Amino acid sequence: KAGVTQTPRYLIKTRGQQVTLSCSPISGHRSVSWYQQTPGQGLQFLFEYFSETQRNKGNFPGRFSGRQFSNSRSEMNVSTLELGDSALYLCASSKRESTGELFFGEGSRLTVL
Amino acid sequence: AQSVTQLGSHVSVSEGALVLLRCNYSSSVPPYLFWYVQYPNQGLQLLLKYTTGATLVKGINGFEAEFKKSETSFHLTKPSAHMSDAAEYFCAVTRPGGGNKLTFGTGTQLKVEL
Repeated sequence: KAGVTQTPRYLIKTRGQQVTLSCSPISGHRSVSWYQQTPGQGLQFLFEYFSETQRNKGNFPGRFSGRQFSNSRSEMNVSTLELGDSALYLCASSKRESTGELFFGEGSRLTVL
Repeated sequence: AQSVTQLGSHVSVSEGALVLLRCNYSSSVPPYLFWYVQYPNQGLQLLLKYTTGATLVKGINGFEAEFKKSETSFHLTKPSAHMSDAAEYFCAVTRPGGGNKLTFGTGTQLKVEL
């Protein structure tokens, strides 16, 4: 059974640009969550989607957005990139809502120059 | 709101020794608690979870944790460390019905020495 797949794995952008990250969940999983991991702030929740609906949102500015498609695949977008957006972005999928049992991908490492 | 405090950002043990990683939580409602492990350049993997019921929970790779409400703790233990246990460990909390929005601790880097 394939795991959570995130693309791209590594990317470099410059300030002011935008970026789109993609996540394919485990087959049959309908919940997709996104987390940002940085050395300074640790793991922080961005948002969660279930059946194409945003269920939860973390405390991030509106530059961070996401969506989920009917096949449960998800994308997140960051516009007007700032240096502080450099981080590992982790996607996690789950069969159901409210279990906390998350299956994480290996992440997309974003560097903003 | 929930929060998690992990005592000790770095823990070093000898191979074969007891592993004890500490986690204390704060929650206004009965929490769901988790331990996740992250190996270098990888995502996180669930080790174990506590929701309700038995307070001693067993996870993968010989790890276990005990939920102690009176101490607001959920410490992770393993009787005998193995070199392959070297990784970063994260304690996390959420509230029942809170979706899959987890609040993570800052992590404990476990080093296992020969």
